[in-house]
Amino acid sequence: AQKITQTQPGMFVQEKEAVTLDCTYDTSDQSYGLFWYKQPSSGEMIFLIYQGSYDEQNATEGRYSLNFQKARKSANLVISASQLGDSAMYFCAMREGLAGGFKTIFGAGTRLFVKA
Amino acid sequence: GAVVSQHPSWVICKSGTSVKIECRSLDFQATTMFWYRQFPKQSLMLMATSNEGSKATYEQGVEKDKFLINHASLTLSTLTVTSAHPEDSSFYICSATVHGTLYEQYFGPGTRLTVT
Repeated sequence: AQKITQTQPGMFVQEKEAVTLDCTYDTSDQSYGLFWYKQPSSGEMIFLIYQGSYDEQNATEGRYSLNFQKARKSANLVISASQLGDSAMYFCAMREGLAGGFKTIFGAGTRLFVKA
Repeated sequence: GAVVSQHPSWVICKSGTSVKIECRSLDFQATTMFWYRQFPKQSLMLMATSNEGSKATYEQGVEKDKFLINHASLTLSTLTVTSAHPEDSSFYICSATVHGTLYEQYFGPGTRLTVT
């Protein structure tokens, strides 16, 4: 079974608008971390935001916020005020705790296109 | 965040030869390093986990005799692709972390391997 599911292969957003990228996860571990990474065409993985399973507040980092709904096991990324430079591949990832060997696994990714 | 380097950034080799890729954590001691492979337009797939001073643990389906991993020090892990074939052409990315932490993980810039 997929542990990280990103159901949107591609998304379009108008410049300056907000966009939500979906991510659901599956784990039986109580302790885990959720990440979002941006991967431009250069290939480097750019860390955007982190949410720990015990964090009660949704994480925010500048224009990025993570909508964490633990009961639903979802961790959607919200990008506000989209910019042309936001066009890239976005990966949701989960790092399980001791039960998962502290490995990080990735979803299939969502390609975001920002239109001028 | 911490800096992780990979060398080389890209390499072209002939079929049947071996290629070594280095992953270095430049400003912290990485007890654990992960190796990922990414084919074009796909996600990152975890290949193996390497802990300093011990044998690497390979994910199901990854040939340990083909992908030799050595983690000889707290700052260096190497991945050697032995007897490379064109189907091994891929983007290889390492990440460095401290075992037991959920948040602390840092990715290298990746190595693009092309086997001709």
